[in-house]
Amino acid sequence: DGGITQSPKYLFRKEGQNVTLSCEQNLNHDAMYWYRQDPGQGLRLIYYSQIVNDFQKGDIAEGYSVSREKKESFPLTVTSAQKNPTAFYLCASRDWAGGTEQYFGPGTRLTVT
Amino acid sequence: EDQVTQSPEALRLQEGESSSLNCSYTVSGLRGLFWYRQDPGKGPEFLFTLYSAGEEKEKERLKATLTKKESFLHITAPKPEDSATYLCAVQAEAGNNRKLIWGLGTSLAVNP
Repeated sequence: DGGITQSPKYLFRKEGQNVTLSCEQNLNHDAMYWYRQDPGQGLRLIYYSQIVNDFQKGDIAEGYSVSREKKESFPLTVTSAQKNPTAFYLCASRDWAGGTEQYFGPGTRLTVT
Repeated sequence: EDQVTQSPEALRLQEGESSSLNCSYTVSGLRGLFWYRQDPGKGPEFLFTLYSAGEEKEKERLKATLTKKESFLHITAPKPEDSATYLCAVQAEAGNNRKLIWGLGTSLAVNP
């Protein structure tokens, strides 16, 4: 089955620790995205990547980092510099040559205490 | 400023009671408008893309329509399994057209 996987589903970390969220897709999509979702707020774009070895900051990139070494993978690191990291994180991908819609993974809920 | 507003914030229906959700947008040229369904604790599920005013798309009990200022998601004879949050997003032609502008969603509850 083609799709996007995110792991783990739930993640708990202590304040001051960096944590990496995994996102893998087997849809052969060129573009990948990271969003965070908080109650009462719309989805906010953290980073996006259109091709391998290239990525751009979204609207709330501070305290986050990404890499895109393979087309299938776009991991997100939440660093200790992120002041409010507890949130629901969503990864998405898009077929650049196809439609304009993005397809989402199941999400990772990160709790930092 | 590009903006997407969804209304109502929450809607409670009885099973079989048809209604509509609204998505109003202000963007500098519309490249596409997207509807998603999101169940609690899960990622959004893509429903429809609309590109131009007058366009309509249907899927089971859902029908999406588009005008130059807003989109409606019509739900006909809803069932309890239609309960979810429905999200609207737009992509503008001008500027960075790779980013979507998201609304806050409408939380729909359908009672049996």
